[in-house]
Parts: sequence; C-alpha cells; structure tokens
Amino acid sequence: SQTIHQWPATLVQPVGSPLSLECTVEGTSNPNLYWYRQAAGRGLQLLFYSVGIGQISSEVPQNLSASRPQDRQFILSSKKLLLSDSGFYLCAWSGVVTSTEAFFGQGTRLTVV
Amino acid sequence: QQPVQSPQAVILREGEDAVINCSSSKALYSVHWYRQKHGEAPVFLMILLKGGEQKGHEKISASFNEKKQQSSLYLTASQLSYSGTYFCGTVLGSGYALNFGKGTSLLVTP
Repeated sequence: SQTIHQWPATLVQPVGSPLSLECTVEGTSNPNLYWYRQAAGRGLQLLFYSVGIGQISSEVPQNLSASRPQDRQFILSSKKLLLSDSGFYLCAWSGVVTSTEAFFGQGTRLTVV
Repeated sequence: QQPVQSPQAVILREGEDAVINCSSSKALYSVHWYRQKHGEAPVFLMILLKGGEQKGHEKISASFNEKKQQSSLYLTASQLSYSGTYFCGTVLGSGYALNFGKGTSLLVTP
C-alpha cells in the first residue's frame, strides 16, 4: 500500500534561518507531488507541483523553492525564512489527479520567530 | 485558479442539513471534496468527473454541474463527527494541479 511520510511534525525557526522540509512517498511510482501551505483565512494554498523528477511548477512567487531529486522525494526549502512563512505545510501525492484522490502527509507546523 | 467556496462558515444542530458550494471561473475537469479536522491532514471524501455526475458517501453527497463550473456538497442529518473544514479542490485538466478553495468551516452542535 502507498504511504507518505513528511517530517518534521513541528519546527520553530528564527527569522533569516534556512528551511528544509522533506516528503517521501512509498508504494507507488511517478506520483504527482504537491506542497501546500495553510495559513489562517487562506485555505490550502498550492505552493509547488511536480509531475516528475526535476519538473517543478511554482504557483506562488516567494522565497521558497522546491526540488524533486528522486521520483518519490519532494523537498521544500528556503534560504532565509520570513515571519510570513509561518504556517502548516502539507505534502501530498496523487496518481492521475484528474480522476484519483490526493493523499496528504501529516503536515509540518512551522513557526518563524 | 483557486475555486471559490461558500459559505465561509456554518453552524448546525445535530440532525440538520447543510450545503456547501464551490465554483470556478474556468472550465473544470474534476472536482474533489475533502474534510479536515483541526491540526490534521485533509481526508478525501469524493471526486466528481465532468459529465454532471452525482455521488454519495453515507449521508454526504455531491453534484457537479459542468456547464456552470459548480459543485455542491450536501450533508444530510448532520452528525457531530461532521464538524471540520471542508475543502473543494478543482482540476482543469490533464497536467494541471489540484487547487483548493479557502474552505468552509462546519460546526455541528448537540
């Protein structure tokens, strides 16, 4: 069966520090991978979307970046965190997204102080 | 490309019904519905494909009007466990991402 792992669960980082959140999927190949951020009042905001290794679409211009070094690994990074980067970050994967559901990781609660 | 959900919040008494709407300004290929409990990951409820189908999941059902680019989620005889935030997600077609609305907060009280 397919599983998705996301870590860490919680993170407190000072302003200006770097960030690296990792997400891995097991039990499937060539998944579509997503990073979403959830902040108060903004719902599930799509940050990055990947259909394959090295193929990243950025939906929201900001100081975050994403990489997909392996088929089932998706990494969210920042060189210098801002206070506004605080939020609940969710990684998700799907098969053919037009007709199949997306599966979410348990999320990372990031607080930038 | 973010779909628009309404209402933003609903408070129900146990046993009452509710409707949550989702609309898009662009033609849709499919609509997803998810429910999220506070601090947890969203959980899939159902997906509707273009063709105007309607689906049901226990006392929760949904419809998709392809011509109007709208979908509605129907919750009947609500239970306390229905409380949470409901999100609709839309897909414009093959190769497009799954984009979610801002969510509808639903609270069911005894």
